Amino acid sequence: EVQLVESGGGLVKPGGSLRLSCAASGFTFNTYSMNWVRQAPGKGLEWVSSISSSSSYIQYGDSVKGRFTISRDNDKNSMYLQMNYLRVEDTAVYHCARVGLGTRFDHWGQGILVTVSA
Amino acid sequence: HTVVTQEPSFSVSPGGTVTLTCGLTSGSVSTTYYPSWYQQTPDQPPRTLIYSTNIRASGVPDRFSGSIVGDKAALTITGAQADDESDYYCLLYMGSGIWVFGGGTKLTVL
Repeated sequence: EVQLVESGGGLVKPGGSLRLSCAASGFTFNTYSMNWVRQAPGKGLEWVSSISSSSSYIQYGDSVKGRFTISRDNDKNSMYLQMNYLRVEDTAVYHCARVGLGTRFDHWGQGILVTVSA
Repeated sequence: HTVVTQEPSFSVSPGGTVTLTCGLTSGSVSTTYYPSWYQQTPDQPPRTLIYSTNIRASGVPDRFSGSIVGDKAALTITGAQADDESDYYCLLYMGSGIWVFGGGTKLTVL
């Protein structure tokens, strides 16, 4: 069974940093591209960042470019999101998601809450 | 800056048919965007309904279908049921590892 489990969320002050992790199991992690998707309270889904299976290709949404860094460790079946210079508007539930057939996001983690507040 | 548009809300009667759409502020949605559709209920991660325009994900009832209608991707629910009341999101693949979600449609069944 495919499982994606996020960790590392919490409360941080504006300007601070946080590192999210996504632990994957139940599939061959090093053959799949992965993404981070977030959802602010009461708002819609927002694509944050993607990373290819070998980390060769990385992309970011405009709202996080230059502040967030995505990475993965295929030996540890894990993906990460280093979030720096956090803003109040980064407050959201962050999900990791696997890219499956047809470029769809076929498996999602339950999500982890990041709260940016003074 | 690409914006993906969806109806903010829609209402359908039980047993009725509803079509939700997914467009672009500039240009047309085509199969090359590999449109996919997701259903989300409160406090749950999204569930894939449709991918690559019109392929139903495993376990999705056949009352859900996807298509291109005019210059938009479309999700049609035929014979709506009470538990179809959810938020629905489309997702477009822009290429080069970049995706964009639509703003979501809140569907009410009443």
